[in-house]
Amino acid sequence: GAVVSQHPSRVICKSGTSVKIECRSLDFQATTMFWYRQFPKQSLMLMATSNEGSKATYEQGVEKDKFLINHASLTLSTLTVTSAHPEDSSFYICSAPAGGTEAFFGQGTRLTVV
Amino acid sequence: KQEVTQIPAALSVPEGENLVLNCSFTDSAIYNLQWFRQDPGKGLTSLLLIQSSQREQTSGRLNASLDKSSGRSTLYIAASQPGDSATYLCAVGSGNTPLVFGKGTRLSVIA
Repeated sequence: GAVVSQHPSRVICKSGTSVKIECRSLDFQATTMFWYRQFPKQSLMLMATSNEGSKATYEQGVEKDKFLINHASLTLSTLTVTSAHPEDSSFYICSAPAGGTEAFFGQGTRLTVV
Repeated sequence: KQEVTQIPAALSVPEGENLVLNCSFTDSAIYNLQWFRQDPGKGLTSLLLIQSSQREQTSGRLNASLDKSSGRSTLYIAASQPGDSATYLCAVGSGNTPLVFGKGTRLSVIA
């Protein structure tokens, strides 16, 4: 199946700093990338949808100025958590549909803000 | 708005038991349904994908069924093993739209 590579897998940062998470589609072109967030013992919730060459669309309640998404190429989408705070600590995971049939997920990023 | 519900939220069984995990969804206009496994602190492992035109899929000891008209899917795990302990997530998709996930069932298989 298609492969989505997500980095880093784990990051610890200080409050107030920014963290960038990358997702790359390795063997297919991802015109769309979905970004999800998962709090402890909760399910995955969609944060935003990024489309190559255009602005991302954000779900209600997700601050677009805090969670910057860039999808500058067909194989790379990035999520930057700006001015991170402890409440941003979560599991972030990306997903790209491949061929409209199955969604392929990155390995996820565990963010801890101290 | 699509909503996905998984029952039970948690399940503990002795090794060797057969078990069934349930998933229901409110909007039957789905493209496919996927079952995932998630180990603590880890990402998702896709277990089975059922297209809307299919009624079931099998992989090893796993069998997933889909009744689209009633908005239900079940994941059957045969002869459970301690290594099956994980959270199992059900998610429905509609083409290139994002998946909608249930909250998962936390399974513990006791040796």
